[in-house]
Amino acid sequence: GEDVEQSLFLSVREGDSSVINCTYTDSSSTYLYWYKQEPGAGLQLLTYIFSNMDMKQDQRLTVLLNKKDKHLSLRIADTQTGDSAIYFCADDQGGKLIFGQGTELSVKP
Amino acid sequence: DTAVSQTPKYLVTQMGNDKSIKCEQNLGHDTMYWYKQDSKKFLKIMFSYNNKELIINETVPNRFSPKSPDKAHLNLHINSLELGDSAVYFCASSPESLNYGYTFGSGTRLTVV
Repeated sequence: GEDVEQSLFLSVREGDSSVINCTYTDSSSTYLYWYKQEPGAGLQLLTYIFSNMDMKQDQRLTVLLNKKDKHLSLRIADTQTGDSAIYFCADDQGGKLIFGQGTELSVKP
Repeated sequence: DTAVSQTPKYLVTQMGNDKSIKCEQNLGHDTMYWYKQDSKKFLKIMFSYNNKELIINETVPNRFSPKSPDKAHLNLHINSLELGDSAVYFCASSPESLNYGYTFGSGTRLTVV
């Protein structure tokens, strides 16, 4: 199956942590990715996790992977207004990236 | 300097016209892709080429024809444009090792009127 699902919206206050969740159905994925899309721009790779890891930290970003539940999350610590964007999780399936619907993160000052 | 560049950035055209979008990457990647992003921001793969050879062709109408003259270029030609073709089209490329993910262009916003 190709389904990758995310909630559509998340609103947080500046300085709080944001957690964006994603579920996927393909258990054969080697890598899972998080991309960021700012208005009018292309997609920028934020981070990725190898499927045999359960956590990866990269500065303010923490990725958690629960392979049993096929659940991926992205935590952004100390969220800033510049983090406002759409965040996509993506799953590599047989040589193509399958994207979730994107979560629009709104950061209020 | 730009890694994946697409032209034009904006394209407004009438129904029934034929148009092309060009894509070039200077990263030395072997694989290139076209994705379509609809008005709800949903991204769907259309085509994938590896070293000039078509390897993925999703259920895309025959009016869409990709062409890869060399591994650094992947162009998208669209015949008989329809209103439903209005979207943002993204080109991307990737190396053989998937841990780098894909590098995306900044997109071409196509509006069919």
